[in-house]
Amino acid sequence: EVKLLESGGVLGQPGGSLRLSCEASGFTFRSYAMSWVRQAPGKGLEWVSTISGSGSNTYYPDSVKGRFTISRDNSKNTLYLQVNRLRAEDAAVYYCAKDKKPFGSYATAFDHWGQGSLVTVSS
Amino acid sequence: EIVLTQSPGTLSLSPGERATLFCRASQSVSKSYLVWYQQKPGQGPRLLMNGASSRASGIPDRFSGSGSGTDFTLTINRVEPEDFAVYYCQQYGSSLTFGGGTKVEIK
Repeated sequence: EVKLLESGGVLGQPGGSLRLSCEASGFTFRSYAMSWVRQAPGKGLEWVSTISGSGSNTYYPDSVKGRFTISRDNSKNTLYLQVNRLRAEDAAVYYCAKDKKPFGSYATAFDHWGQGSLVTVSS
Repeated sequence: EIVLTQSPGTLSLSPGERATLFCRASQSVSKSYLVWYQQKPGQGPRLLMNGASSRASGIPDRFSGSGSGTDFTLTINRVEPEDFAVYYCQQYGSSLTFGGGTKVEIK
């Protein structure tokens, strides 16, 4: 059974940094691109980053490029998201998501999602 | 960036009725790269449809998808109580974007 377990809720300060993690099990982690998708309270879904299975390729939308860094440790089956220079608009539930196809470099569609990690931004 | 516009914003239905949800793209999307998700409160999304019209694993056949180019449709025949949720379309033909969602609620 595929499982994606994100770290618990995180409180960050405006201008500060935080790191989210997502531990994967039930599939060959290194074979799949992985992504982070966020959802602000009461809002829709927003893709924020993707990393290839090997970790050599990363992708971001312009809205977060330069502030977000996605990484992975295939020896620990764990995905990470580093968020710098936190803004109020970064407050959201952050989901890690597994790509549906193996051996792809870029995200396509997501066949498994974690339960989400709530990021709160407050001073 | 391809913008996906979903309509209606909210659909109020009784169990057993048919639901028709729309997703319009700001430019043409290959139907191979258009998918649909279902999301219930407090949960991550669930993949429903691949390639606009192919049901994902375990999805009941009352769900169907169609469309091409800029206009796509998700249909739920005879809505069941567990189908009341929010539905999102997503494209990955050019970067990756989601629509704003359609909430299917009990009338």
